[in-house]
Amino acid sequence: SQQGEEDPQALSIQEGENATMNCSYKTSINNLQWYRQNSGRGLVHLILIRSNEREKHSGRLRVTLDTSKKSSSLLITASRAADTASYFCATDGASNTGKLIFGQGTTLQVKP
Amino acid sequence: DTAVSQTPKYLVTQMGNDKSIKCEQNLGHDTMYWYKQDSKKFLKIMFSYNNKELIINETVPNRFSPKSPDKAHLNLHINSLELGDSAVYFCASTPRGGSGTGQYFGPGTRLTVL
Repeated sequence: SQQGEEDPQALSIQEGENATMNCSYKTSINNLQWYRQNSGRGLVHLILIRSNEREKHSGRLRVTLDTSKKSSSLLITASRAADTASYFCATDGASNTGKLIFGQGTTLQVKP
Repeated sequence: DTAVSQTPKYLVTQMGNDKSIKCEQNLGHDTMYWYKQDSKKFLKIMFSYNNKELIINETVPNRFSPKSPDKAHLNLHINSLELGDSAVYFCASTPRGGSGTGQYFGPGTRLTVL
């Protein structure tokens, strides 16, 4: 069955607001990754958080990981219109093959 | 520019035809992947090669055959195309095998089977 589920499926906010997206997964992991996909483009890697980490920051991005709840969240602070995209979480299912299992994504719209 | 590139970007073809999609990365990475993204944006891995060796082969119809002539290239050949093959196919690469790094994705090939 599909590994990751994301919530909400769609999110619409005003520029300057914060956006929070959640991801749940089902199996053990070595790490969890977040990707962004602009319309009609490929995925862009945003951040990787390891299973022994609880929080990680990169610019305006903040990712948390709760392995006991098998969940992660991505917070984008002070959103911009350019942040409009789909955001996906991906887990490795504790394998070392590089296989990633993606969630269905959250579509974020940031209105100017 | 250093990148993962795919050709063609769009591919429209009739059912039953055979087609190929090409992928090249000039990042010096050892591992390459093929993913399929359906109309609901669900992304699923199909294959992975590490330095020309097949390491991931998901439950994919054997009409799909990957070929890696060298570690910088991973092509996907599809025989007897079916309507359900319509999707966006993404190639990706990582510096090495394993899951410890992010993957670099190509721009995608939108395949439409009529």
